[in-house]
Amino acid sequence: EAQLVESGGGLVQPGGSLRLSCAASGFTFSPYWMHWVRQVPGKGLVWVSRIKSDGSSTSYADSVKGRFTISRDNAKNTLYLQMNSLRAEDTAVYYCARDPDLYTSGYYYSYFDYWGQGTLVTVSS
Amino acid sequence: DIQMTQSPSSLSASVGDRVTITCRASQRISSYLNWYQQKPGKAPEFVIYAASNLQSGVPSRFSGSGSGTDFSLTISSLQPEDFATYYCQQSYKTPYTFGQGTKLEIK
Repeated sequence: EAQLVESGGGLVQPGGSLRLSCAASGFTFSPYWMHWVRQVPGKGLVWVSRIKSDGSSTSYADSVKGRFTISRDNAKNTLYLQMNSLRAEDTAVYYCARDPDLYTSGYYYSYFDYWGQGTLVTVSS
Repeated sequence: DIQMTQSPSSLSASVGDRVTITCRASQRISSYLNWYQQKPGKAPEFVIYAASNLQSGVPSRFSGSGSGTDFSLTISSLQPEDFATYYCQQSYKTPYTFGQGTKLEIK
């Protein structure tokens, strides 16, 4: 069964940096788009970023654009999120999620079929 | 950005009840609408994609419908394990956006 395991979260001061990792197992990682989604404890889900299967295309939420960088290493079956210039409002649980980008009936459908357990990032002095 | 609005924000129901959660998009998104279930302290789990297609393994008491701007998730006969928070999410275009969530509680 597919499994995603995030790591790298922790406490960081405002303005600091952190790199999250998401290790994939139980499936062939390279064909899938991957995403990061975050959630402030007790609040709703917020999409952060996505990366194409071969790493050639990325997208970001406006709130993180220019500060966060998504990347992947298909040889290591690992997704990354480099977070720089962190702010208090970046405090959240960060989830990685797999996206099959399913092609059916002439269209591609994006959805998150497997999620990691999440890693907590706390930005505070 | 496309705004997703769910209603109600919370709902109390009993085991065996039929419940419907609605989700409205701020612009037309065809059928690019997904539903997730999240239990306290856990990661979300995928339920439905493309408005009405059930994830493998999800019980058939769950169903989804809608297209354009208005969508719904229906649970035909609530079971104890269904009490959770449900989120809709549009994948029509980035930034992908979620509804604020509907918390389904036991009456």
